Amino acid sequence: DTGVSQDPRHKITKRGQNVTFRCDPISEHNRLYWYRQTLGQGPEFLTYFQNEAQLEKSRLLSDRFSAERPKGSFSTLEIQRTEQGDSAMYLCASSAPAGVLDTQYFGPGTRLTVL
Amino acid sequence: GDSVTQMEGPVTLSEEAFLTINCTYTATGYPSLFWYVQYPGEGLQLLLKATKADDKGSNKGFEATYRKETTSFHLEKGSVQVSDSAVYFCVLMWGFKTIFGAGTRLFVKA
Repeated sequence: DTGVSQDPRHKITKRGQNVTFRCDPISEHNRLYWYRQTLGQGPEFLTYFQNEAQLEKSRLLSDRFSAERPKGSFSTLEIQRTEQGDSAMYLCASSAPAGVLDTQYFGPGTRLTVL
Repeated sequence: GDSVTQMEGPVTLSEEAFLTINCTYTATGYPSLFWYVQYPGEGLQLLLKATKADDKGSNKGFEATYRKETTSFHLEKGSVQVSDSAVYFCVLMWGFKTIFGAGTRLFVKA
């Protein structure tokens, strides 16, 4: 068990560029979540996968955002035409199908800065 | 809709003081409740959890009891240490739905 990993840890981009982040969950976990955290706030839910199926998307996830989990293992989050308001920490978490005991394990996050 | 409200910070305490961080929630179902902690420069870590009413979660000297009648899950520790300085998040989870409180920053002075 090596924990949840995210890549890159930091990304600086110019407004209008596209960026893609990767999340590798704990290997036996079939549930994967993406969150966005801005300074001084708690993480806000963006989307949820069970295996390869994207089962829920927040209204925060505009058309410029897309997430995939093609083989039910790693996941990617892409932001197209970035805006300064997209600057935030993007967190990934995973959990095992343990019924109500749905403890999520978080990765270190990818900090995005849009100039 | 479902929500989590926790006391605003920062909270500043001297070492060995008693800590309480209040957390209340509203939920339409029967959520599990968690406290997560974020130490400076580190990622979110699970501190403790409770899955049903009257359950008490505990870890590292911290405790919280799931109170359905008052819809609360207050975090307590009898004697804080400088190393407890961090941001604490009260979290509600029900299925895939996850709602974080805004976080409470704790500073512990030596």
